Amino acid sequence: EAGVAQSPRYKIIEKRQSVAFWCNPISGHATLYWYQQILGQGPKLLIQFQNNGVVDDSQLPKDRFSAERLKGVDSTLKIQPAKLEDSAVYLCASRRVRDRSYEQYFGPGTRLTVT
Amino acid sequence: EDQVTQSPEALRLQEGESSSLNCSYTVSGLRGLFWYRQDPGKGPEFLFTLYSAGEEKEKERLKATLTKKESFLHITAPKPEDSATYLCAVQYNFGNEKLTFGTGTRLTIIP
Repeated sequence: EAGVAQSPRYKIIEKRQSVAFWCNPISGHATLYWYQQILGQGPKLLIQFQNNGVVDDSQLPKDRFSAERLKGVDSTLKIQPAKLEDSAVYLCASRRVRDRSYEQYFGPGTRLTVT
Repeated sequence: EDQVTQSPEALRLQEGESSSLNCSYTVSGLRGLFWYRQDPGKGPEFLFTLYSAGEEKEKERLKATLTKKESFLHITAPKPEDSATYLCAVQYNFGNEKLTFGTGTRLTIIP
């Protein structure tokens, strides 16, 4: 079974520029999560989708961050414009809806550096 | 605010020297407590889920236990390949299924 795919793996941009990250979850996983992990901290949930609907985006800075999952499969997270404090690893995770263990499978992440 | 606290922040052990990592949480209504392992440059990898006080789970040299206030990850006779950051996360009965992560314990096993 293929794991969660993310691209790009690394990205360096200047502040005020825009950037987009892509995630393809494990086949059949209806729930998809985007997390932000700042160096030395644990992952923080930004947004959760179930199929193509948003379940929780309470911690997403909506003035600059947006995310979509139009067909209920892959997803894109965008930052526009980026700030220095957005430097972090952006992790995507997925889960089967019927999985009672609530285990989430994580991708390798995209490391963003904002200069 | 929900609090998940892990200690110590970092731990260096000699190969074969057993120890324990701690994860404490502050809010009642726990649905599950999760342990993940994270290697540098990789996403977290699931280890265990614990649901109720007194529950224990084991995998190779790792054993996770849960009380009403905290969880321990016991590492017995560790090897250098056990070096990683160990994250715990909690999920509560109220709200959605969001995981709240601690900041992790960075474990280094010295050959």
